[in-house]
Amino acid sequence: DAKTTQPPSMDCAEGRAANLPCNHSTISGNEYVYWYRQIHSQGPQYIIHGLKNNETNEMASLIITEDRKSSTLILPHATLRDTAVYYCIVSISNSGYALNFGKGTSLLVTP
Amino acid sequence: EPEVTQTPSHQVTQMGQEVILRCVPISNHLYFYWYRQILGQKVEFLVSFYNNEISEKSEIFDDQFSVERPDGSNFTLKIRSTKLEDSAMYFCASSEPGLAGVETQYFGPGTRLLVL
Repeated sequence: DAKTTQPPSMDCAEGRAANLPCNHSTISGNEYVYWYRQIHSQGPQYIIHGLKNNETNEMASLIITEDRKSSTLILPHATLRDTAVYYCIVSISNSGYALNFGKGTSLLVTP
Repeated sequence: EPEVTQTPSHQVTQMGQEVILRCVPISNHLYFYWYRQILGQKVEFLVSFYNNEISEKSEIFDDQFSVERPDGSNFTLKIRSTKLEDSAMYFCASSEPGLAGVETQYFGPGTRLLVL
């Protein structure tokens, strides 16, 4: 799997957009970008994934650069409950394939 | 909304004892996983399981570990002779094949194992 690089920590004010970057410069053509988060030692929670197009769901938006070497997860209106560790994972999308969690970005949403 | 459940939530055991961690995956899912997270460290993949066979396993998943789907609903992880370094949070996950092979893994709340 391609390696990802994320900042170790970020802050965001409640109600503002949180933009979490991820570099994956060695991503290959058949690898997807997945985002998961982990709230205080709970089980990781799926957020969103994408291949090359931008994606949006009820939780977040994912912006992938045209060369696919980096991406940004956007939480449009961060709340205190979005305080968590956010993981950017690059993986081929075969069923049964392991997710390779790195250290992620610890996002702190402040009042 | 369907979810993965795990029991027990906490387990304390003596070094050298056997433990079995239990998971009930989401009912229509076909792929099952175990991950672990040692306190303060990253989530690590242990094993994936499909059609009553191990699909993939990591270097961590040595002969001390085994997995089983004893019936149509449970998925278990057994550690035969626990070591101090097995103390961790163990997460079960499940998934189903999605469109174009894209799948999402859904995680349970975890079992915190403490080996004394």
